[in-house]
Amino acid sequence: GQQLNQSPQSMFIQEGEDVSMNCTSSSIFNTWLWYKQDPGEGPVLLIALYKAGELTSNGRLTAQFGITRKDSFLNISASIPSDVGIYFCAGHPVGGNMLTFGGGTRLMVKP
Amino acid sequence: AAGVIQSPRHLIKEKRETATLKCYPIPRHDTVYWYQQGPGQDPQFLISFYEKMQSDKGSIPDRFSAQQFSDYHSELNMSSLELGDSALYFCASSLGDKGRLGELFFGEGSRLTVL
Repeated sequence: GQQLNQSPQSMFIQEGEDVSMNCTSSSIFNTWLWYKQDPGEGPVLLIALYKAGELTSNGRLTAQFGITRKDSFLNISASIPSDVGIYFCAGHPVGGNMLTFGGGTRLMVKP
Repeated sequence: AAGVIQSPRHLIKEKRETATLKCYPIPRHDTVYWYQQGPGQDPQFLISFYEKMQSDKGSIPDRFSAQQFSDYHSELNMSSLELGDSALYFCASSLGDKGRLGELFFGEGSRLTVL
């Protein structure tokens, strides 16, 4: 199936630092989305991107749909302890209806 | 606001037993998705239903079956359970085309442990 390569796998940062993570694929995607999952909970949608080149913000979060439609990044500015969790990129590949998830980035924030 | 309700939250079964998970979507949502998430893994799509009909099928084993009922709730039936079936099972719901755009709302999951 379609594969999303997400990096880094984990990050350990100081509170107040900015964070950047990205997702790439060898295939073209129609949509890119970013979800956050807290331990023992279901993923929660953070940002959805539908057009190549689209840049969208949600509070301290900013994400972009790569111009090649094969990648996306998520930035978190001024991190706080509650940002801790696993961040998943996800998307719909061209010709596919199933939402495919990346491997996740585990974010840890040191107060 | 009402969210996706899953039950049970935790379930412990023996090998070769059967388990049934239930999912109640957000009111007025017409599409239900089932995902399986192993420890340290990303969610893997199993199956989805739109208006009570199967719409897409992913990596769902033949031992598993699912359906969506007239009230839009869905059940995932798992038979001949294996140790490898131990995982978090998430149900998600969406409204019409929003699901096609990836706007899924996930439940809190059902944790299945097979001993």
